[in-house]
Amino acid sequence: QVYLVQSGGEVKRPGASVKVSCESSGYSFSTYGITWVRQASGQGLEWLGWIGPYNGNTIYAQKFEDRVTMTIDTSTNTAFMELTSLRPDDTAVYYCARDCVEMATVPVALDMWGQGTMVTVSS
Amino acid sequence: EIVLTQSPGTLSLSPGERATLSCRASQSVSSGYFAWYQQRPGQAPRLLIYGGSIRATGIPDRFSGSGSGTDFTLTISRLEPEDLAVYYCQQYGTSPRTFGQGTKVEIK
Repeated sequence: QVYLVQSGGEVKRPGASVKVSCESSGYSFSTYGITWVRQASGQGLEWLGWIGPYNGNTIYAQKFEDRVTMTIDTSTNTAFMELTSLRPDDTAVYYCARDCVEMATVPVALDMWGQGTMVTVSS
Repeated sequence: EIVLTQSPGTLSLSPGERATLSCRASQSVSSGYFAWYQQRPGQAPRLLIYGGSIRATGIPDRFSGSGSGTDFTLTISRLEPEDLAVYYCQQYGTSPRTFGQGTKVEIK
């Protein structure tokens, strides 16, 4: 069974950083890319970026390019997303999700999702 | 950025009826790099369709996707109570990969 298990909720002050983890199991972690998506309360889905399999190439949405860093640790089968200079409008549930095909060289559709991590930014 | 506009905003139908959800892109979507997701209340999204028309693993055949270029459709042939959800379209051919704003399906 494929699982993506994310770290717990975070409360941060404006200007701080947050790092969310996404631990995978049940498949070959190094052969599938991971995408990060967020969803503000009652709102739609917003694509933050993608980290590719094996060599960890990244593609970020331009909106977040200067504030987001996505990494992977193949020794623990874990992906990470760090967002800096947090603002109240960054308050959202952050999801990691797996590529639906192996060894994709660009972002593709997402067939397995983590449970989501609530990040709250408030003074 | 490719903007995806979904219609209608809300669809209210009875069990057994056919649901037709539309998604229009502001520019042509590359090579069918198009997906549909279902998000039930309180849950993470679930992939239904990718490549424009390919059902994901375990998805019932009453869900089907069609379309190309700028116009895409998700059809649920016979609604069931568990289909109560918000449905999102996504294009993944051009950066940034974008989602539609969602169509809420209500079951009468």
